[in-house]
Amino acid sequence: DGGITQSPKYLFRKEGQNVTLSCEQNLNHDAMYWYRQDPGQGLRLIYYSQIVNDFQKGDIAEGYSVSREKKESFPLTVTSAQKNPTAFYLCASSIGLLRGVYKEQFFGPGTRLTVL
Amino acid sequence: EDKVVQSPLSLVVHEGDTVTLNCSYEVTNFRSLLWYKQEKKAPTFLFMLTSSGIEKKSGRLSSILDKKELFSILNITATQTGDSAVYLCAVGLIQGAQKLVFGQGTRLTINP
Repeated sequence: DGGITQSPKYLFRKEGQNVTLSCEQNLNHDAMYWYRQDPGQGLRLIYYSQIVNDFQKGDIAEGYSVSREKKESFPLTVTSAQKNPTAFYLCASSIGLLRGVYKEQFFGPGTRLTVL
Repeated sequence: EDKVVQSPLSLVVHEGDTVTLNCSYEVTNFRSLLWYKQEKKAPTFLFMLTSSGIEKKSGRLSSILDKKELFSILNITATQTGDSAVYLCAVGLIQGAQKLVFGQGTRLTINP
C-alpha cells in the first residue's frame, strides 16, 4: 500500500535536547512538507522540499532543520533553539510542480511531541 | 500577509441536519482552494477547487468556490455521526512551490 509513515507516534523530550522526527513516503512524490499544528490553530508550514537535496524555509522555520538526501525521506529535527516545540507535527507529500502537475498534498498520521 | 479564515470555529448539530462551513481568504498568487477532513490524525483530502461557480460533489458532501468574493463553502447534507471531525480549508499558492495556507479549522460534532 502506498502512503506516508511518520515515527514515532508520540515523543517526549527534555528541554535542551534535539529530537528528529521521521517521515517516509512510497508514493514516488517529488515534494515533501512539514507542518506544525497547535490546538485551535490551523497547520503552519515549517519547511518544504521540491526535490532531493533541496529545501526551503516555510513560515515558522526558526528552531527546526531538515534534510532531503533521498526522495522517500524528509526528516525534521527540532532543536533546542525552538522555544515552544510541544505540538502535533504533520508531514505531507505531493507530486510536485516539477512535473507540471498541481495536485493535492497527502498527509502522514503525525507525531505528537511533548517537551517535559 | 496571506490569510485564510474559517467560520464557524465550532458547530454542533443533530444527525440528519444539513451544515454549511465557510472559508474566506486573502492571499496573493492564488492557485486553488482545498478542503480536508481531520478526524484524529492525518487530514484526508476532500476537494480541490480552482474555478468559480463549479460545484464539486462527493456523496453527501459538496463544495463551491467564489473567486470574486474570495470564499468557499462546504456543504454536508443528511449528516451522520461519522462526519464528526475538524474540517480544514487551505489555499494553494504558486510561489515557485505548491505552498498551502490553512485556516483554523471548523470542529463539527454530530450528535445522534
